[in-house]
Amino acid sequence: GQQVMQIPQYQHVQEGEDFTTYCNSSTTLSNIQWYKQRPGGHPVFLIQLVKSGEVKKQKRLTFQFGEAKKNSSLHITATQTTDVGTYFCAGLQGAQKLVFGQGTRLTINP
Amino acid sequence: GAGVSQTPSNKVTEKGKYVELRCDPISGHTALYWYRQSLGQGPEFLIYFQGTGAADDSGLPNDRFFAVRPEGSVSTLKIQRTERGDSAVYLCASSWTSGANVLTFGAGSRLTVL
Repeated sequence: GQQVMQIPQYQHVQEGEDFTTYCNSSTTLSNIQWYKQRPGGHPVFLIQLVKSGEVKKQKRLTFQFGEAKKNSSLHITATQTTDVGTYFCAGLQGAQKLVFGQGTRLTINP
Repeated sequence: GAGVSQTPSNKVTEKGKYVELRCDPISGHTALYWYRQSLGQGPEFLIYFQGTGAADDSGLPNDRFFAVRPEGSVSTLKIQRTERGDSAVYLCASSWTSGANVLTFGAGSRLTVL
């Protein structure tokens, strides 16, 4: 079945530094979703990308979907302590099953 | 309801016991998902319901796991003869329809098997 891989597994930055996490799929994705899970919390939806090469921005967060629709990235500019958490990408397998990557855990030194 | 509700929030049981975990999705959401999340891992798909029927149960690890959604709303995940390896957070999520729609997760049920 489809595999969704994320790198890095962990990232520690100083507050104000940038952060990027990468997501790669073994198969072409119809769309990709990103979720954030705060420590002790549950995954919360951030965004969905559908089109090849699509780029979406949410304030300091920039999401990109690759041209081949097999990879995606999330970039955070000038991290803040509120960005702490684990970021997951998730791709559809078939029409129904959302397969999650293992996540990138972001910690920030204030 | 306003969000996805899961009960119990915590369950400690002994190896070999039977456990039921309940999920009450957002009112009107037809699609319901169960995931399992172990420490430091991403959510692992277990089963998906569209209405009352299990549309995809390919993630259930073995026949000790079973889930129902008899009236197309509340769902129960049932685990028989629990094993220590079943310890995890069991997450339920719902969405308006299948496929590309956004999942809203509940807070999860943390299962500990001693």
